[in-house]
Amino acid sequence: QKEVEQDPGPLSVPEGAIVSLNCTYSNSAFQYFMWYRQYSRKGPELLMYTYSSGNKEDGRFTAQVDKSSKYISLFIRDSQPSDSATYLCAMSDNYGQNFVFGPGTRLSVLP
Amino acid sequence: DTEVTQTPKHLVMGMTNKKSLKCEQHMGHRAMYWYKQKAKKPPELMFVYSYEKLSINESVPSRFSPECPNSSLLNLHLHALQPEDSALYLCASSQGPGQKDGYTFGSGTRLTVV
Repeated sequence: QKEVEQDPGPLSVPEGAIVSLNCTYSNSAFQYFMWYRQYSRKGPELLMYTYSSGNKEDGRFTAQVDKSSKYISLFIRDSQPSDSATYLCAMSDNYGQNFVFGPGTRLSVLP
Repeated sequence: DTEVTQTPKHLVMGMTNKKSLKCEQHMGHRAMYWYKQKAKKPPELMFVYSYEKLSINESVPSRFSPECPNSSLLNLHLHALQPEDSALYLCASSQGPGQKDGYTFGSGTRLTVV
């Protein structure tokens, strides 16, 4: 079993749709959870960061963490074509020493 | 300045060449990283520098040689590479080692080995 799993997609949605991106993980030591967005031929850009369980909202983006299920989600409301990118979850333990990326989900938002 | 700057953006090199990738940040970050990313794969950690000292080397072949001349600069020296080393090489930085809330990445150097 991989440490972090993520549906690779591609996921295609119409403009304006609500997008749900998810990761599951196996290491219960992970405490910090991040979502990165990576456009083609660019470096990853940190979108959201959460600690432990709960929700965090930033504009059209909401990150959720359910540590009991070892499951994290990123919701994108009113999706735009400019949201088309690969979304990578990432997580680290309480010491920040074990920093792991998920494999990424390719998202296409169609106009 | 909230950026990590990498040069060159693109590099084509032969298997006998020697070249260097450069990374610069002026955010006062004390940890810097080299990652390698193949197409449709997540970034893979290569090296970590913490306070200008190499702290992690993820069993990277010796044809890749990192260097941290000062707290703002990170280099990756390349020599005798193989075609399978072609990839996007990403530099990242964080305020300190063991940063729990994510790193700042550069745009990468797209390397092609011929």
